Amino acid sequence: NAGVTQTPKFRILKIGQSMTLQCTQDMNHNYMYWYRQDPGMGLKLIYYSVGAGITDKGEVPNGYNVSRSTTEDFPLRLELAAPSQTSVYFCASSGPGQAPMNTEAFFGQGTRLTVV
Amino acid sequence: GNSVTQMEGPVTLSEEAFLTINCTYTATGYPSLFWYVQYPGEGLQLLLKATKADDKGSNKGFEATYRKETTSFHLEKGSVQVSDSAVYFCALSSNTGGFKTIFGAGTRLFVKA
Repeated sequence: NAGVTQTPKFRILKIGQSMTLQCTQDMNHNYMYWYRQDPGMGLKLIYYSVGAGITDKGEVPNGYNVSRSTTEDFPLRLELAAPSQTSVYFCASSGPGQAPMNTEAFFGQGTRLTVV
Repeated sequence: GNSVTQMEGPVTLSEEAFLTINCTYTATGYPSLFWYVQYPGEGLQLLLKATKADDKGSNKGFEATYRKETTSFHLEKGSVQVSDSAVYFCALSSNTGGFKTIFGAGTRLFVKA
């Protein structure tokens, strides 16, 4: 059981470049999330999705886009990278999925992004 | 809407000291409550959970009791170790919110030898 898989683990971007952070889960979870975590800080929700074809903004959506074409995948797109987007990005998913009472969130290992 | 408030850190303790990290919540319906832990350089992982009032979640010597009357889920450990140094996040998931997970801001714990 792989859980939540994020790629890449590390990336350095130049200002103005674009990239997609990949996230996939194999637990048939309805909810998927993207968070950013700045050094020494908590989690800030960027976007989330309640199911395939449905996405919604979180606290800090500016500069990002998402799509949810399948239950498994929830990629995060940065169109014009800026130094303020230097952060660690976490993808997560939660149920109810196949286990209705098991509503805990599962996290990927994170992507450390630096924009220079 | 649903929300979680936890005590600000950092919390600094000596090894074998008693730990309490406060967490209170606001939610409609019947939320499940969680504590997650984030060790340096890693993602978050579930530490313990409680799914109904008066339940006690426990794991690795940590405990938290779901108190509906005070809307609280405080994390406790009787004797902390250096290896417990991490960031701790309180969270909830409610049936009225479609099981969307809401996190607190996190509390950083430093344990000195």
